[in-house]
Amino acid sequence: EADIYQTPRYLVIGTGKKITLECSQTMGHDKMYWYQQDPGMELHLIHYSYGVNSTEKGDLSSESTVSRIRTEHFPLTLESARPSHTSQYLCATTSGVTYEQYFGPGTRLTVT
Amino acid sequence: DQQVKQNSPSLSVQEGRISILNCDYTNSMFDYFLWYKKYPAEGPTFLISISSIKDKNEDGRFTVFLNKSAKHLSLHIVPSQPGDSAVYFCAATDSWGKLQFGAGTQVVVTP
Repeated sequence: EADIYQTPRYLVIGTGKKITLECSQTMGHDKMYWYQQDPGMELHLIHYSYGVNSTEKGDLSSESTVSRIRTEHFPLTLESARPSHTSQYLCATTSGVTYEQYFGPGTRLTVT
Repeated sequence: DQQVKQNSPSLSVQEGRISILNCDYTNSMFDYFLWYKKYPAEGPTFLISISSIKDKNEDGRFTVFLNKSAKHLSLHIVPSQPGDSAVYFCAATDSWGKLQFGAGTQVVVTP
């Protein structure tokens, strides 16, 4: 199982602010993912990366952006937060040897 | 278009009895299936998986059954324990490895 960390765990922020959600893993895995999940709904893939300098948009359109400058870090940025961005954001990683993805604890974002 | 469906949003079961969670999928290219458990304000935790070449996989109290012709899988938890109260997500993937999730089933285990 991967050690994967997300900060902050909770964030309440006003409309228009720029935010960065951090995700890091210590296993050296190439594949990393960002999901968005609202209560009672499925997890939606919003971004993924298969290695350094590789990022792709997921199935759900998102105004967020990501970067992958180092293997262990996969931060997500919202340039101007809006109430519609209120959600739980989950980061995951996989070794690629199997299909199992391992998730961080998530960031609960509330935009007021 | 939701390709993985969990049609029961909630399930209540008595402690010690069997919990059966169901999942249906539409994409015939899916060949690997997973179940995750999620507590509030935490990330999902991987529980058990099954490849399309099998019809059953067992791990302790958890068993997953796959019926490919019906595009249906189920998770059996026996016996159910209070700590099993959580949301359970079904997920599926093809060879590309991107997971498609269902909307989850909230399980409540009562004393």
